[in-house]
Amino acid sequence: TQLLEQSPQFLSIQEGENLTVYCNSSSVFSSLQWYRQEPGEGPVLLVTVVTGGEVKKLKRLTFQFGDARKDSSLHITAAQPGDTGLYLCAGAGYGGSQGNLIFGKGTKLSVKP
Amino acid sequence: GAVVSQHPSWVICKSGTSVKIECRSLDFQATTMFWYRQFPKQSLMLMATSNEGSKATYEQGVEKDKFLINHASLTLSTLTVTSAHPEDSSFYICSAPRAGGLRDTQYFGPGTRLTVL
Repeated sequence: TQLLEQSPQFLSIQEGENLTVYCNSSSVFSSLQWYRQEPGEGPVLLVTVVTGGEVKKLKRLTFQFGDARKDSSLHITAAQPGDTGLYLCAGAGYGGSQGNLIFGKGTKLSVKP
Repeated sequence: GAVVSQHPSWVICKSGTSVKIECRSLDFQATTMFWYRQFPKQSLMLMATSNEGSKATYEQGVEKDKFLINHASLTLSTLTVTSAHPEDSSFYICSAPRAGGLRDTQYFGPGTRLTVL
């Protein structure tokens, strides 16, 4: 069974601070997605990484896929209150039904002004 | 971008009644859609895979007779919670992978909050 360990589970920081969220597994994933979810809403896709070692930037967010495609990280620079939300990583394995994603437990981020 | 809608966004029902939730892909066709359940402060748990024109595939521990899935067209999947009980209260979210894009990238609906009294 493929599992994604996401850490930390909770993170409360001040505006302007930097933070990193980690997603780790012993399994190899064909790709990995990062989502952000607001309360009462569905997850919104932030990025998909597919190549080992890949780094993608989305404004103040930097996403990295591990060389072995077993782990990923999300780094936020100079966090703002608008970054508050639940961040989910989700990995797509090999085989199985199309698009079957395995989700991490999520990181609830709170950025205080 | 891809848009997936859900209806209703929230529903309150009495115990023992059935509730139908619709999931639509608005600007693309989806031969496959996924249904997830999310309990408070928890991550998404895949319930079943909805396949257009064939039977749904259910995850282990999900009762197929209780959670009826119908994928009637390339843009619509429905989840019916039959004989709902309070423990079925949850946030139900559907998703669909968009053809032509990355196979593993899914677009999620806004979710349906079900409360069973």
